[in-house]
Amino acid sequence: EVQLVESGGGLVKPGGSLRLSCAASGFSFSSYSVTWVRQAPGKGLEWVSSISSSGSFIYYADSVKGRFTISRDNAKNSLYLQMNSLRVEDTAVYYCAKESAYDFDYWGQGILVTVSS
Amino acid sequence: QSALTQPPSASGSPGQSVTISCTGTSSDVGGYNYVSWYQQLPGKAPKLMIYDVTKRPSGVPDRFSGSKSGNTASLTVSGLQAEDEADYYCSSYAGSNNYVVFGGGTKLTVL
Repeated sequence: EVQLVESGGGLVKPGGSLRLSCAASGFSFSSYSVTWVRQAPGKGLEWVSSISSSGSFIYYADSVKGRFTISRDNAKNSLYLQMNSLRVEDTAVYYCAKESAYDFDYWGQGILVTVSS
Repeated sequence: QSALTQPPSASGSPGQSVTISCTGTSSDVGGYNYVSWYQQLPGKAPKLMIYDVTKRPSGVPDRFSGSKSGNTASLTVSGLQAEDEADYYCSSYAGSNNYVVFGGGTKLTVL
């Protein structure tokens, strides 16, 4: 059974940093691209960042480029999102998702990140 | 990275069919056959319902179908059931610069 479990969320002040993790199991993690998608309270889904299976190709939404860094550790079956210079508008539930040719076939349960003073 | 355009709401009675549209541009929906649809129940993670415009993952009822014409993709739910009441989001590959873009979401109500 495919499982994706996010951790590392919480409350942080504007300008602060946070690192999200996503532990994957039930599939060959090193063979797939993985992605972060976020959803602000009461709003729609927003693609944040994706990383290819080997980590060679990385993509970011304009809204987070230069502030967020995606990475992965295939030996640990883990995906990460380092979030710096956080803004109030980064407040959202962050989902990690397994990717299959530009669609997301398995999702984690999500983790809440709140940016507030 | 502009979001794809979806109607904010749609509705239908049990047993009826409803179609939700998703309009993009030639740089996303119209340019690639990588349109997906997701169902999100309240408080839950999204679930993939349609991928590659028309394909259904294993376990998704065949009441759900997808199509595309030009820059507009559509999700049709036939034989509406109460359990279909949810938010639905489309997404599309948008090239290596923008990667993936989502629609704003459509709240489907079963009357």
